[in-house]
Amino acid sequence: DIAMTQSPSSLSASVGDRVTITCRASQYIADFVNWYQQIPGRAPKLLISAASTLQDGVPSRFSGSGSGTDFSLTISNLQPEDFAIYYCEQSYTSNTFGQGTKVQMK
Amino acid sequence: QVHLQEAGPGMVKPSQTLSLSCSVSGASVSLGGYNWGWSRQHPVKGLEWIGYVYYDGDTSYNPSLKSRLSISLDKSKNQISLKLTSVTAADTAIYYCTRVVVGHSAPTLNWGQGTLVTVSS
Repeated sequence: DIAMTQSPSSLSASVGDRVTITCRASQYIADFVNWYQQIPGRAPKLLISAASTLQDGVPSRFSGSGSGTDFSLTISNLQPEDFAIYYCEQSYTSNTFGQGTKVQMK
Repeated sequence: QVHLQEAGPGMVKPSQTLSLSCSVSGASVSLGGYNWGWSRQHPVKGLEWIGYVYYDGDTSYNPSLKSRLSISLDKSKNQISLKLTSVTAADTAIYYCTRVVVGHSAPTLNWGQGTLVTVSS
């Protein structure tokens, strides 16, 4: 299995902050990375596919980058509705998810 | 607007077979362009990809579940089904029905609301 190591596991931030979450793959996966947002009690929501393609309707303050083994999700100008849990997923082979990053209010 | 709705027993005894169905509205499982499948979320282990099926019956399964797993389509009902045999407590999770884009990076575009399945005697 390809392991996705996500960091940090949690972070505290304030409205207006810029936050970055990283994911490292245990082997080369090109740009086969997707990012999801999950509000507790709800299903995950797709934010970004193919490492950097923003999904329709997702605010432009979300951005993704990376290729190979190192990837990141950045939220600029954090908004109240962005406090949630974020997951990376690799779909290069037999999909696996990162452990999640909880973004909480400082 | 695509909507996925899971249905299932809620509780299953160890060693038995877990059967779930998912009703799809707003899209047809008989058409190409998307895979139809399942993921689950364990209380502790997090998100886990289970697998999916294409409209032509082609499947892709998580290797760790493959020997116990079957995912299929009922085109007459526009439904997806999952069967997982010989369940244990490790199969306790929220099960999500999913619609996955066919193509580069195959993202999961749509998720059902999820159904909690508990394996317990």
